[in-house]
Amino acid sequence: GENVEQHPSTLSVQEGDSAVIKCTYSDSASNYFPWYKQELGKRPQLIIDIRSNVGEKKDQRIAVTLNKTAKHFSLHITETQPEDSAVYFCAASKGDKIIFGKGTRLHILP
Amino acid sequence: DAGVTQSPTHLIKTRGQQVTLRCSPKSGHDTVSWYQQALGQGPQFIFQYYEEEERQRGNFPDRFSGHQFPNYSSELNVNALLLGDSALYLCASNLGTGVTGELFFGEGSRLTVL
Repeated sequence: GENVEQHPSTLSVQEGDSAVIKCTYSDSASNYFPWYKQELGKRPQLIIDIRSNVGEKKDQRIAVTLNKTAKHFSLHITETQPEDSAVYFCAASKGDKIIFGKGTRLHILP
Repeated sequence: DAGVTQSPTHLIKTRGQQVTLRCSPKSGHDTVSWYQQALGQGPQFIFQYYEEEERQRGNFPDRFSGHQFPNYSSELNVNALLLGDSALYLCASNLGTGVTGELFFGEGSRLTVL
C-alpha cells in the first residue's frame, strides 16, 4: 500500500523567513496530494492541495510543488508568521483512502 | 452548517474493555473515514464507510470494527482494548466514494486505556 515519508520531523525558522517541508510517496498511482495543518488540540485542516496534472500551486504565502517522476512533493511557506506555528501533515491518495505522513512540527521563532 | 461532530470527546477505559465512538458527518457528506492519531504521530487510516459498507481498510486488526447508518453517521468499535490503543480517534467526512477532495475532520475522541 501507499507509504508517505515526511521530513523534517521538527523545523524552527525565524519569523519572516521561509520554511520548506518535504514528502515522498511510494505508490506511483497516487494523484492527489493535500497538506493539512493541525494546531495544538485542534482538528487537522486542509491548507492547500495539488493534483498530479499540476506541477506547482500557490495560495498567498503557501505553495506546493510536485515532482511525479521522483515521487516527491514539498510545502513552501514564505514570510512566516507566529500563527504558522503548528504541525503540518502531507498526504497522498489515488482516489480512495488518504494516507498521511508523520508530520512536521514547525516553530516560528521571534 | 454543522461540521463533523464526534462523541465522546474524552474517555478512559481499562485493558480488555470495549469502546464505541460516534461520528456525525458534515451536512451533505456520505463517506466517513476513521483515523487513529497517536501522540506526536500522523493520522493512521483505520477504515472508510460508504453506503453502509466498509469500502477501504488500513492495517488494523479485526478488534477494530465499524458501522455506518442510513443517515451516514458512523460508529467505531474497538474490542479487547490494549494499552497501545490509547490515541486520538479522528473521524473525517467527504462526499463520494473516491477521496478526491478535502476531508473534513471532527475534533476527535481521546481514548486512554489504563
